[in-house]
Amino acid sequence: AQKVTQAQTEISVVEKEDVTLDCVYETRDTTYYLFWYKQPPSGELVFLIRRNSFDEQNEISGRYSWNFQKSTSSFNFTITASQVVDSAVYFCALSEVGEYGNKLVFGAGTILRVKS
Amino acid sequence: EAQVTQNPRYLITVTGKKLTVTCSQNMNHEYMSWYRQDPGLGLRQIYYSMNVEVTDKGDVPEGYKVSRKEKRNFPLILESPSPNQTSLYFCASRMGRGGANVLTFGAGSRLTVL
Repeated sequence: AQKVTQAQTEISVVEKEDVTLDCVYETRDTTYYLFWYKQPPSGELVFLIRRNSFDEQNEISGRYSWNFQKSTSSFNFTITASQVVDSAVYFCALSEVGEYGNKLVFGAGTILRVKS
Repeated sequence: EAQVTQNPRYLITVTGKKLTVTCSQNMNHEYMSWYRQDPGLGLRQIYYSMNVEVTDKGDVPEGYKVSRKEKRNFPLILESPSPNQTSLYFCASRMGRGGANVLTFGAGSRLTVL
């Protein structure tokens, strides 16, 4: 069965620190998709990134970077030089294809607090 | 603007009083889904719909009903709400079948059942 584990319930950092949010997943499929969503204090869910299982290249977008490692079933998210506006709940999620692609399975989320 | 619209955004109700949370999308998406978010549990799928008149249970369907009579609308019905249904609810939609496409979420509906 699909499962996503975000072991860090809450992380607090001081502005400008780098922070990594961990995500470990379980799936039986060889083809799957991994996602990160951000939920700021206003409550909406904001899509950040999608990665398919065949693309293990790391990705960088501004201060955000993602490290996908199939060998350890991890898809970690790093924020460089964190800012107060990065304070949010971050969710990692997994979707399989075929009949099991009918849902996105979320981790429990990691609350990130960035203090000025 | 492409979006998923949920109403109401906030609702306080009492046990047993039927309520409906509406969801509408303007992107002509085939797939729609409802999730509930609870602390420490992330988001869990309640029901989903692959197209008009096609719905199926997610992981936590008990106490909920849905319908998909039109492509753009996917209401969530609580026939007899109970306090354990107090939660933050999200409607979402995406193009097509399969898990590759990105889900677009509504702004959320916070429901309190007393």
